[in-house]
Amino acid sequence: GAVVSQHPSWVICKSGTSVKIECRSLDFQATTMFWYRQFPKQSLMLMATSNEGSKATYEQGVEKDKFLINHASLTLSTLTVTSAHPEDSSFYICSVAGSNQETQYFGPGTRLLVL
Amino acid sequence: EDQVTQSPEALRLQEGESSSLNCSYTVSGLRGLFWYRQDPGKGPEFLFTLYSAGEEKEKERLKATLTKKESFLHITAPKPEDSATYLCAVQATDSNYQLIWGAGTKLIIKP
Repeated sequence: GAVVSQHPSWVICKSGTSVKIECRSLDFQATTMFWYRQFPKQSLMLMATSNEGSKATYEQGVEKDKFLINHASLTLSTLTVTSAHPEDSSFYICSVAGSNQETQYFGPGTRLLVL
Repeated sequence: EDQVTQSPEALRLQEGESSSLNCSYTVSGLRGLFWYRQDPGKGPEFLFTLYSAGEEKEKERLKATLTKKESFLHITAPKPEDSATYLCAVQATDSNYQLIWGAGTKLIIKP
């Protein structure tokens, strides 16, 4: 499987500021990466699918201008939460699609708390 | 509509007490069914992929099986370290590789 890292592992910010979360594929060139958010005691909710070198595809109800995704290389994707508000507080997790494009391997997640 | 249902929602077992978790699915065409383990505050850890009815896969105390309607995750003689939330997801053939997730089963193994 693929080894995926995320940075930071947790972040606290003030309302109105922007936060960038990095997702790195450490041992695999990932053409496709996924971004999820997870609220307490709930399952994962897909936010967007990003393919290297092209624009991300956002799920219905996810504001693309608020959650900016950049997948500039085969090993790095970033999620920027712009003008964060308390309701954006959540656990954000990225995944990379394996070589068969089927199995997804997940990062450790980033806990965001907006005050 | 494609759907995944996991049961039970939570399961408490004594150490060594074997049991099974269920994942029922409805999908137009199945590309694959996935089992993950998630510990609190961490991302899901990949366990198994199953592709066709009758397929079985094993890893330590875990064994996953698949039929045309459901999958079971059998846990044999569990240990406290097996405590986690187990997530099931399916991928449809027309899904652009996206996963449809179940709500998970929270497994607690008491020593």
